[in-house]
Amino acid sequence: AIRMTQSPSSFSASTGDRVTITCRASQGISSYLAWYQQKPGKAPKLLIYAASTLQSGVPSRFSGSGSGTDFTLTISCLQSEDFATYYCQQYYSYPPITFGPGTKVDIK
Amino acid sequence: EVQLVESGGGLVKPGGSLRLSCAASGFTFSSYSMNWVRQAPGKGLEWVSSISSSSSYIYYADSVKGRFTISRDNAKNSLYLQMNSLRAEDTAVYYCARDGEGSDYWGQGTLVTVSS
Repeated sequence: AIRMTQSPSSFSASTGDRVTITCRASQGISSYLAWYQQKPGKAPKLLIYAASTLQSGVPSRFSGSGSGTDFTLTISCLQSEDFATYYCQQYYSYPPITFGPGTKVDIK
Repeated sequence: EVQLVESGGGLVKPGGSLRLSCAASGFTFSSYSMNWVRQAPGKGLEWVSSISSSSSYIYYADSVKGRFTISRDNAKNSLYLQMNSLRAEDTAVYYCARDGEGSDYWGQGTLVTVSS
């Protein structure tokens, strides 16, 4: 199974900050990577698929990049509604579909 | 509007069974593969099972293989997860999600608690 790791596991930031979250796959997954945002008590929300394609309706301050094993999610100007946990997920090789352990972004 | 609504969760004793349902609307259900994903309290997301649009392909996580059965009824726009031999570690919120490039639509989740 392909193992996904994320860094950092959590961090504090302020509104207006530019933040970057890293996701790494244990083997190459081309661009078969998705990013999700999850708020407490809510279902995950798809932000980005195919590593860099913004899901319809997602604000343009979110962007994704990378291919192969290393990927990043960037929020260009953090807004109050962006404080949440972010997960990466590979869908290159399954079963199993695998998620990263998550990165929690909270308010500084 | 795409909607996925899970039901069937609840409290069950270890070794017991439960059947989850997911009612889909707002899209052509029979054209999409579907997933079940779970989240234990305070933990991350764990993929559980997937089923292709015509049920030709079915996959399970190792942690549930042999105990859980995924199925669908395209005529009823419904997805199911039959869970047998439940264990404490199966306690989680269970989400159904539409498959694609990533899962673009998710239900609100249904809580399954396995406890004596």
